[in-house]
Parts: sequence; structure tokens; C-alpha cells
Amino acid sequence: DVKVTQSSRYLVKRTGEKVFLECVQDMDHENMFWYRQDPGLGLRLIYFSYDVKMKEKGDIPEGYSVSREKKERFSLILESASTNQTSMYLCASSLPGTAYYEQYFGPGTRLTVT
Amino acid sequence: AQSVSQHNHHVILSEAASLELGCNYSYGGTVNLFWYVQYPGQHLQLLLKYFSGDPLVKGIKGFEAEFIKSKFSFNLRKPSVQWSDTAEYFCAVKSPGTYKYIFGTGTRLKVLA
Repeated sequence: DVKVTQSSRYLVKRTGEKVFLECVQDMDHENMFWYRQDPGLGLRLIYFSYDVKMKEKGDIPEGYSVSREKKERFSLILESASTNQTSMYLCASSLPGTAYYEQYFGPGTRLTVT
Repeated sequence: AQSVSQHNHHVILSEAASLELGCNYSYGGTVNLFWYVQYPGQHLQLLLKYFSGDPLVKGIKGFEAEFIKSKFSFNLRKPSVQWSDTAEYFCAVKSPGTYKYIFGTGTRLKVLA
């Protein structure tokens, strides 16, 4: 079974703090993704990575950056957290390339910025 | 740009009722289609997917979906829902040759016992 884990289930940070969200997958997947999930808006792609050190912006990258130094780990960084970044953050991974493979999701991190 | 529409945002059904959740996408080319489910407190998991062949796809837990190319639709169905089907359901589309999956806004289903 594919396992995608995220470092925290719940996180509370203050405005202006630098926030790191970590994601680890154990199935040697090349592709990894970060989404945010908001009620009524579904899942919106922040960034994705198709290989170590490779990354591409998704639909809402502003205010975020990512790091992928090892294949199994994909980090999302909020450089200076703001209240409008309060959300549920989901990490996902999938098999390589651009074929029809499904994504495997982690349990999510609910981030509150006060 | 591609988009996915899920017109039903909230659905309430009694146990044993039949379910159909709508999903329409905007892209006219070849697509791969997915339905994911998120049970309360759990992570998103795949219900079923379509990439080619028989347009009627069967998934886990008695769910099925039908791809109708002429209508750009991929509706999810279940003949008889159970209380345990209470969850949020997401439709997603992916074009072959791209990395991105486009998700709909989700449908919250509540099944009354």
C-alpha cells in the first residue's frame, strides 16, 4: 500500500511566521503535489514536482515555495504566513510521467494562521 | 483552461435511495477521469477511474460511473446508498501529456439512517 504522510495534522502559526509543511511518500513515486482544500473551492494546486529538484507552479503559487531535495520528500514553505493561508493542505504523489495514474493523498494538515 | 463542474454541492438522501452525482468537464480532447471520496476525518482515496475502453466503469463499494463523451460528463452512481457513504466526493480530470489534475469543487453527501 502506498503511504503518504504529512508532518502534522493540525498546526497553529502566527502571522508573519515562516511555516514548513512536510510530506513523505514511501512508494518511490516521481510525482508529488501540494494542494490546498477550502470549502466550496475544492482542491487547488499550489505546486508540483516531477523529479528531485524539479518543480512547477500550480494554479495558486503566490505566497508559497517548495523544496524537493530527496525523492520521497516534498516540502511546502509559507515564507511569511498570512491569515488568508488558513486552510487544509493536502500532499499527494503519483507514478511517473504524464499517464493516467491516480494520485495518492496524505491525511492533510489543517493550518490556522492567527 | 480546463475546468470541472460539480453542480450538486450538497446532497441528502435516505438509506437505500439511489445516487447520481454530476460531473462535467470543459476539455474537448482525450481525458482521464477520476472520482475520489473523502470520508469524515480520512484522506482522499480513489473510487474509480476511466482512461479508455468501456465507458461504464465500476469502482469500489458498489460505485460506478459512466463516461459520455458527447456530453463531456462522468457522473457517479450507486443504486442503493448506505449511511457509511456519507462523505465528500470529488471529480477530477487529467489530460494525457500533462502532470496536472483538475478537481471539481466537491459534493457533500449525507445519508440519513
